[in-house]
Amino acid sequence: NAGVTQTPKFQVLKTGQSMTLQCAQDMNHNSMYWYRQDPGMGLRLIYYSASEGTTDKGEVPNGYNVSRLNKREFSLRLESAAPSQTSVYFCASSEAFAGALNTEAFFGQGTRLTVV
Amino acid sequence: GNSVTQMEGPVTLSEEAFLTINCTYTATGYPSLFWYVQYPGEGLQLLLKATKADDKGSNKGFEATYRKETTSFHLEKGSVQVSDSAVYFCALNFNKFYFGSGTKLNVKP
Repeated sequence: NAGVTQTPKFQVLKTGQSMTLQCAQDMNHNSMYWYRQDPGMGLRLIYYSASEGTTDKGEVPNGYNVSRLNKREFSLRLESAAPSQTSVYFCASSEAFAGALNTEAFFGQGTRLTVV
Repeated sequence: GNSVTQMEGPVTLSEEAFLTINCTYTATGYPSLFWYVQYPGEGLQLLLKATKADDKGSNKGFEATYRKETTSFHLEKGSVQVSDSAVYFCALNFNKFYFGSGTKLNVKP
């Protein structure tokens, strides 16, 4: 059981380049999330998707776009990368509807992105 | 709104010391509460959880009790090991996951 799979694991971009981070889960979860983690800043929510076909902004959405391609996949796109987007990016999935609040969130291993 | 506040780190302890990491929450309803652990270079993994008031979650010697009256979910361990060095995140689930800022624990031999 793979859980949450993120690709790539590492990436170096030049300022202004674009890229898409891929995330897929095989647990049939409705909710998926993208976080970034910076030193001393904890996790900050970029975007989340409560269910297939819906997406909502989190705390730090500027400079990012997302696509919930289907129930399994939730991608994060940087249209024009900036050095301030250097971070570790985590994808997560969970069930979060009223009848399943006791279920945990499962995380991918992260993508370490450097923008130079 | 919903939020989680946890004590700032880093917390530095000697091996076999007692650990407490404080976590308090604000929620508009009755959330489930979680502690996650992140080892260096890895993603977050579930450490323990509690789904209703007065529940105690436990795993690997760590414990936390869901206290509705004080809106708290403090993490404790009686005797820490060097291998417990990691970042610990408190979280709640109420229609969406909300995470605290994380507390780094350093355990010295």
